[in-house]
Amino acid sequence: SQTIHQWPATLVQPVGSPLSLECTVEGTSNPNLYWYRQAAGRGLQLLFYSVGIGQISSEVPQNLSASRPQDRQFILSSKKLLLSDSGFYLCAWSVQIHLRLAGGTSSYNEQFFGPGTRLTVL
Amino acid sequence: DAKTTQPPSMDCAEGRAANLPCNHSTISGNEYVYWYRQIHSQGPQYIIHGLKNNETNEMASLIITEDRKSSTLILPHATLRDTAVYYCIVRVATDSWGKLQFGAGTQVVVTP
Repeated sequence: SQTIHQWPATLVQPVGSPLSLECTVEGTSNPNLYWYRQAAGRGLQLLFYSVGIGQISSEVPQNLSASRPQDRQFILSSKKLLLSDSGFYLCAWSVQIHLRLAGGTSSYNEQFFGPGTRLTVL
Repeated sequence: DAKTTQPPSMDCAEGRAANLPCNHSTISGNEYVYWYRQIHSQGPQYIIHGLKNNETNEMASLIITEDRKSSTLILPHATLRDTAVYYCIVRVATDSWGKLQFGAGTQVVVTP
């Protein structure tokens, strides 16, 4: 079965310090990978997504960057953290599921989320 | 992807059915309706999805109106563990990028 790991679970960092959050997926190959952030009391915001090694797309301009050095590894980084970077960071993976139905074919994409990292920048 | 509108909060008594509405009046013909939920301090969890037919699985039922401009997620027998934020999302079925755009969702509180 597939599992997704994130670490650390919680992190407290001073403003201006660097950041590295890691996400790894087991039990699947060539997944789509995603980084989301959820600020306190807010909804989830998609930050980055990746469809393959070295392929990163950014959804919003920000103080963060992402890298995918291996097929099942996704890293979120920052050179200098800001107070506004505080939040709950979630990694997710997905695959496209194809169904063969009586009337034709259908497909859908289901995302699976990791346990998250709660980052507090002081 | 089309936008969705959900009530910000809803209370439900334990053991009763919870009916969560979602409006998606600008949905396109090739867009699916997805439902996810997020229990406090956890990542979102997939619940169900559908195109135009009603769907049911072990977690919930999804009722989509004939014009597909709205849908209802039904939790048949709500338990305390169903307390969570429920997100209704529409997205193109063939979008292999798989991006999900989460809105504010509905905070469901199940009370004893």
